Amino acid sequence: SYDLTQPPSVSVSPGQTATIRCSGDELGNKFASWYQQKPGQSPVLLIYQDRERPSGIPERFSGSNSGNTATLTISGTQAMDEADYYCQAWDSSTAGVFGTGTKVTVL
Amino acid sequence: VQLVQSGAEVKKPGESLRISCKGSGYTFTNYWMSWVRQMPGRGLEWMGRIDPSDSYTNYSPSFQGHVTISTDKSITTAYLQWNSLRASDTAMYYCARHYDGASEEAFDIWGQGTMVTVSS
Repeated sequence: SYDLTQPPSVSVSPGQTATIRCSGDELGNKFASWYQQKPGQSPVLLIYQDRERPSGIPERFSGSNSGNTATLTISGTQAMDEADYYCQAWDSSTAGVFGTGTKVTVL
Repeated sequence: VQLVQSGAEVKKPGESLRISCKGSGYTFTNYWMSWVRQMPGRGLEWMGRIDPSDSYTNYSPSFQGHVTISTDKSITTAYLQWNSLRASDTAMYYCARHYDGASEEAFDIWGQGTMVTVSS
């Protein structure tokens, strides 16, 4: 099976940059997407096709994908960005795969 | 555009269950739909997907044979069904629409979730 690995937690100070990495075998050859989930809420799509933002998603969220790693960057992190974040991709057997998830804490 | 899921369920092990996800505000048959599981305090797990235009499905190996995904185009509704529930099926279940209608794309619209509790 295809696995996507994320750090369990990332801490960031308000106004600083948070970087969340998602690792998977040859992930750069696939499209990665990113989701934000706040407690008690459904996930929200932040980034699709590696770096595209849906309408309504703030510009401080950006994505990239190369080699074995996709990256979500939150610039100028705000308290409201405290949440769980998941990467996602499709493996070669056409199964969807989510990353292990990262809890972002804004200190 | 929204997906509205059916309400919370409490079932006993061995019972059957079908939960639903009604799409509105878009052409239902133009967009693949997936189901995603989230066990209490855990991460997201992709279960499977369906093309509502022809009911083609494929499942994660982890869920193949234990659940069935289907749709009723006439009422723009997708379903997730179990014939025999287990305690380990206790989780929140989300339906999610595929962006741009593609089979392997991000999930741009999510339902509000249906909590399923299986307990004797």
